[in-house]
Amino acid sequence: AQSVTQPDIHITVSEGASLELRCNYSYGATPYLFWYVQSPGQGLQLLLKYFSGDTLVQGIKGFEAEFKRSQSSFNLRKPSVHWSDAAEYFCAVAPQGSASKIIFGSGTRLSIRP
Amino acid sequence: GAGVSQTPSNKVTEKGKYVELRCDPISGHTALYWYRQSLGQGPEFLIYFQGTGAADDSGLPNDRFFAVRPEGSVSTLKIQRTERGDSAVYLCASSTGLVNNEQFFGPGTRLTVL
Repeated sequence: AQSVTQPDIHITVSEGASLELRCNYSYGATPYLFWYVQSPGQGLQLLLKYFSGDTLVQGIKGFEAEFKRSQSSFNLRKPSVHWSDAAEYFCAVAPQGSASKIIFGSGTRLSIRP
Repeated sequence: GAGVSQTPSNKVTEKGKYVELRCDPISGHTALYWYRQSLGQGPEFLIYFQGTGAADDSGLPNDRFFAVRPEGSVSTLKIQRTERGDSAVYLCASSTGLVNNEQFFGPGTRLTVL
């Protein structure tokens, strides 16, 4: 069965520090991969997506993610976090050829230490 | 322009009652999606419409859940004989319907079943 694992439930980093959020997936073939952010009172917003091609993808708000097929991972990174980055982050997958039925991980809550 | 809107923002009901949740997609978007997000979890796919028809309803948990989109725009998610386990945030998203296009999410309806 397809699944997405985000092993870190909650992460706290200092403002200005680098960030890496982990994501592993289980899928029959290479899926489409996504990262979403959900801030309190706001809807889910797409940060970035990987469909094919270059395995390092750039997103909005200075985020990037790297697809590693051998590790079935799609980790999210940011070189320097800002207090406004505090939010819930979700990794997600969808079958190749169709981004309609998205399967989400359980999320990682990011807190920022002043 | 206006994003995806959902009404009501909060709904409290009693076990056994019937509820309707409404979603207004972004104007011109032909695809519409419903997800359910339980506390501490990622969104879970329920159903996807392309135009007026349900293209994939494999995520509906049982026959108490039903969704319609009669004119290909507004959609209503209907839950009969609500149970306490139905308590969650119900999210709606829309997209242009083109293959692999981004889903834009609404703020959700928080349903509480007492």
